[in-house]
Amino acid sequence: AQSVTQLGSHVSVSEGALVLLRCNYSSSVPPYLFWYVQYPNQGLQLLLKYTSAATLVKGINGFEAEFKKSETSFHLTKPSAHMSDAAEYFCAVSENTGNQFYFGTGTSLTVIP
Amino acid sequence: GAGVSQSPSNKVTEKGKDVELRCDPISGHTALYWYRQSLGQGLEFLIYFQGNSAPDKSGLPSDRFSAERTGGSVSTLTIQRTQQEDSAVYLCASSFRETLGYTFGSGTRLTVV
Repeated sequence: AQSVTQLGSHVSVSEGALVLLRCNYSSSVPPYLFWYVQYPNQGLQLLLKYTSAATLVKGINGFEAEFKKSETSFHLTKPSAHMSDAAEYFCAVSENTGNQFYFGTGTSLTVIP
Repeated sequence: GAGVSQSPSNKVTEKGKDVELRCDPISGHTALYWYRQSLGQGLEFLIYFQGNSAPDKSGLPSDRFSAERTGGSVSTLTIQRTQQEDSAVYLCASSFRETLGYTFGSGTRLTVV
């Protein structure tokens, strides 16, 4: 069975500070991992994905995530937060033969000027 | 089309009425998902279509919910005898291959009064 845990439903950072959004997963096989971003009143947009290539994945808007098998984690980071990064972020996992994505409950990011 | 299109974008209905939500996936995408996002909640899987295979309906919350996909393209999610707890944003997503991630529509915001 698969599941995704996002620690911290709300994260606040100052503009220019490091952004760290945590995601841990459980999967019986090597997973595919995704981060999605949802801006207010919009649908979900793919930020980045891990599909068993490089463990450090770079996405759009300066975000990146590192797959750590030993820690079963796929945390999302950005060196310097921008006001436009304020949004809801969802981590998702899928097995390579699975039919379904499993989403975390989301983390709301607030950027303080 | 260029993206996943959902209609209507907003729907207000009276309790007990039936509603139909429509999803136009990206042309050529064989996989289609419906998710529900309630206020302050994560994404709840509803149903999954893949090509001509039987749909995975394991996420439908009750027999008031049904969905079909005609000709492997457009999908309609129907909710019969709507209840106030059905109020949520209903998101549709499509994909060519699961490992590439999903493209989401902007959703239909359903309000049952």
